[in-house]
Amino acid sequence: NAGVTQTPKFQVLKTGQSMTLQCAQDMNHEYMSWYRQDPGMGLRLIHYSVGAGITDQGEVPNGYNVSRSTTEDFPLRLLSAAPSQTSVYFCASSYGTGVYYEQYFGPGTRLTVT
Amino acid sequence: AQTVTQSQPEMSVQEAETVTLSCTYDTSESDYYLFWYKQPPSRQMILVIRQEAYKQQNATENRFSVNFQKAAKSFSLKISDSQLGDAAMYFCAYRTSLTSGSRLTFGEGTQLTVNP
Repeated sequence: NAGVTQTPKFQVLKTGQSMTLQCAQDMNHEYMSWYRQDPGMGLRLIHYSVGAGITDQGEVPNGYNVSRSTTEDFPLRLLSAAPSQTSVYFCASSYGTGVYYEQYFGPGTRLTVT
Repeated sequence: AQTVTQSQPEMSVQEAETVTLSCTYDTSESDYYLFWYKQPPSRQMILVIRQEAYKQQNATENRFSVNFQKAAKSFSLKISDSQLGDAAMYFCAYRTSLTSGSRLTFGEGTQLTVNP
């Protein structure tokens, strides 16, 4: 298993540009999430999904869109990039919601918006 | 909404000694899960230890143990016999036991330095 993969690893955008951060998992996990990590603030939930076709907002959803057309993929779209979206983005997945269903994290994407 | 607070932005410890990282949280729920994650410079998030709120017994994983005080809403991590490889950012995290996804609420993190 490749686990959770994210592409790209690094990206630089200009203000106003749009892009999609890709996330895929090959573990047949129902639950997937996107987090952003900023210095001094830990990881904050952007959007999450409990299965194909079902998504919901997390703590900081503004400026981001998601969709879940398949179990494997959960892309995160930045509609019009802003400098405040400069961050490291993590995708995570898990099979279930019990304590022993571990969340698997991708390697992260470092995004810089100039 | 739940919140998680780590009041120590940085900590340091001598190799082979013991260090305790603090975490407090706020919730109105009675059943939930708590976690400590380690993030080395590689950025990879690694699960260190987990605790179920309804279990009185503190979780232990080799050199890592927790002190879970439910009434005080405190969940500290003790690292014994610290090793150079323990140097990393450590995050405390909360998750509801309700079946509404596997969302985690993280604290701000504590940067641990291990001195040789």
